[in-house]
Amino acid sequence: GAVVSQHPSRVICKSGTSVKIECRSLDFQATTMFWYRQFPKQSLMLMATSNEGSKATYEQGVEKDKFLINHASLTLSTLTVTSAHPEDSSFYICSARLAGVSYNEQFFGPGTRLTVL
Amino acid sequence: QKEVEQDPGPLSVPEGAIVSLNCTYSNSAFQYFMWYRQYSRKGPELLMYTYSSGNKEDGRFTAQVDKSSKYISLFIRDSQPSDSATYLCAIASTDSWGKFQFGAGTQVVVTP
Repeated sequence: GAVVSQHPSRVICKSGTSVKIECRSLDFQATTMFWYRQFPKQSLMLMATSNEGSKATYEQGVEKDKFLINHASLTLSTLTVTSAHPEDSSFYICSARLAGVSYNEQFFGPGTRLTVL
Repeated sequence: QKEVEQDPGPLSVPEGAIVSLNCTYSNSAFQYFMWYRQYSRKGPELLMYTYSSGNKEDGRFTAQVDKSSKYISLFIRDSQPSDSATYLCAIASTDSWGKFQFGAGTQVVVTP
């Protein structure tokens, strides 16, 4: 149980285009999902916290107009990188927290590798 | 100063040896301590989770927390080549529920 999927697993796009990444909790409901970015040989950096039915909360330094997050249902959150540039190339990972539990556990997706040419 | 410090390695050990990993943290408000394993180009998977000082054992893995020293450790006994991965510590507090602070990750290489 507690499986999180991401789609696509890899995407290559031209500079200036927008890319949408989906994060789904397959066998549980997630009121909260998190989006991370990971550069090579670096740790995960939290970008934003996404709560179902409300606006996402962005971390300091993350442009909300560039990284659009939508959490329309309890099993789906999307991250759209708008007008992507080569510096946005990174590994984007989402995680989901089980709804209705008191303990602090996140289940991570397999990640999406974005390459902007 | 980073909130969580972790030596990035790489740490190379022979098969069968004990792998010893650790993290230090600065904020005493942190109460939840996790260890994740991440294979190359994959998402992290949870190995151990604890919220109290002391030891917690699960198979070949032992997590140790010393809140007085703000120091956490992960030990892997009888290491296998399949244990070769990057190990990340993650810490959270009730004040920032759900927001994890990750260490840089330690790359471990277990050689046959």
